[in-house]
Amino acid sequence: DQQVKQNSPSLSVQEGRISILNCDYTNSMFDYFLWYKKYPAEGPTFLISISSIKDKNEDGRFTVFLNKSAKHLSLHIVPSQPGDSAVYFCAAIINNNDMRFGAGTRLTVKP
Amino acid sequence: NAGVTQTPKFQVLKTGQSMTLQCAQDMNHNSMYWYRQDPGMGLRLIYYSASEGTTDKGEVPNGYNVSRLNKREFSLRLESAAPSQTSVYFCASIRERRGNEQFFGPGTRLTVL
Repeated sequence: DQQVKQNSPSLSVQEGRISILNCDYTNSMFDYFLWYKKYPAEGPTFLISISSIKDKNEDGRFTVFLNKSAKHLSLHIVPSQPGDSAVYFCAAIINNNDMRFGAGTRLTVKP
Repeated sequence: NAGVTQTPKFQVLKTGQSMTLQCAQDMNHNSMYWYRQDPGMGLRLIYYSASEGTTDKGEVPNGYNVSRLNKREFSLRLESAAPSQTSVYFCASIRERRGNEQFFGPGTRLTVL
């Protein structure tokens, strides 16, 4: 039973445009959400996080939005760059240590 | 400062063989984690250790054991490998338990024939 879902396995955008990656979750007990970026043959690297008591967090080109009533979060990348091409994982934390990941979305940014 | 290191990078086992995956971090982090990544499944937590001397089961602990040898090292052992354990294994660490980012190692790609 996957509690964190990323329903789009892939996304392709043009350089300079906005990339929007979506994530849905089912467990209302999650209290922290994170986005990770992963290149082939490397471990995931942290991008940005948001507490469940907030609805937006911004860090440079990356903004995460949280809609608790819809159990939905999204990652916006503006402007998208070719170096952003990677697999993006959404993750949610429950009970301090138990982190659940989505299946990932492969983003391709075309020059 | 090497961050999180994992050995080996690749391993091929036969069904029934045992092996230990090693993980070490030099960031003085308290909590350490083991995940497996399978196609279409994302990363799934196997075990974690919130501090030296403690370990807890995650989402998919069956078939695995762990040891938190000291603050730096957290090993994952497969006592009797099965083809279903073919996966990429990632170790991670975090300074604080709540909400902070995890730092991941480069992964171990394990194939069980």
